[in-house]
Amino acid sequence: GENVEQHPSTLSVQEGDSAVIKCTYSDSASNYFPWYKQELGKGPQLIIDIRSNVGEKKDQRIAVTLNKTAKHFSLHITETQPEDSAVYFCAAASSGSARQLTFGSGTQLTVLP
Amino acid sequence: NAGVMQNPRHLVRRRGQEARLRCSPMKGHSHVYWYRQLPEEGLKFMVYLQKENIIDESGMPKERFSAEFPKEGPSILRIQQVVRGDSAAYFCASSPVGIAGGQHEQFFGPGTRLTVL
Repeated sequence: GENVEQHPSTLSVQEGDSAVIKCTYSDSASNYFPWYKQELGKGPQLIIDIRSNVGEKKDQRIAVTLNKTAKHFSLHITETQPEDSAVYFCAAASSGSARQLTFGSGTQLTVLP
Repeated sequence: NAGVMQNPRHLVRRRGQEARLRCSPMKGHSHVYWYRQLPEEGLKFMVYLQKENIIDESGMPKERFSAEFPKEGPSILRIQQVVRGDSAAYFCASSPVGIAGGQHEQFFGPGTRLTVL
């Protein structure tokens, strides 16, 4: 089955700096890669996703890149703000009947004011 | 448009009791997924259902756990004879009907935090 590894497990940045979180996946059949933000006591919130037919996607301060050959994808947050502080999870899934998401172990991002 | 609804938000059970967790998907969504999150860990897939059908239950423990998504009403995750190791946050997600074979976004509910005493 799919295995997703996520690094780093914790990340502290100064407000205004950029943050990068990296994930690798094992199943070459995976073709959908979402990122979720989870605040304390809440459910995961989808913030951006990318499909295997594109290499990069951007939405305001958030961008995701995908390298299918190397089987890794990354989340980039620019101009970080204190409200970006949360746990971020990457995930991977393949198409077809098996729609389950396989999640990474999470990154606790802290943005210092 | 209301999001995914889960209830109860918090549930306390004693060992040996039954726990029933409910999930109402977003309007227009007919695919439901259940995930479990242990403290300080990521989410682990449990089961994927469509109306009246279990599509994939490869993540469900073989005993004591069951799930359903009836034609009418919410999806139910049922845990019989709970043990302390069942204490976790249980999240439900839903996604819309779409093009066959395509992967669609999964939107998560707020979760049910189960505590087994």
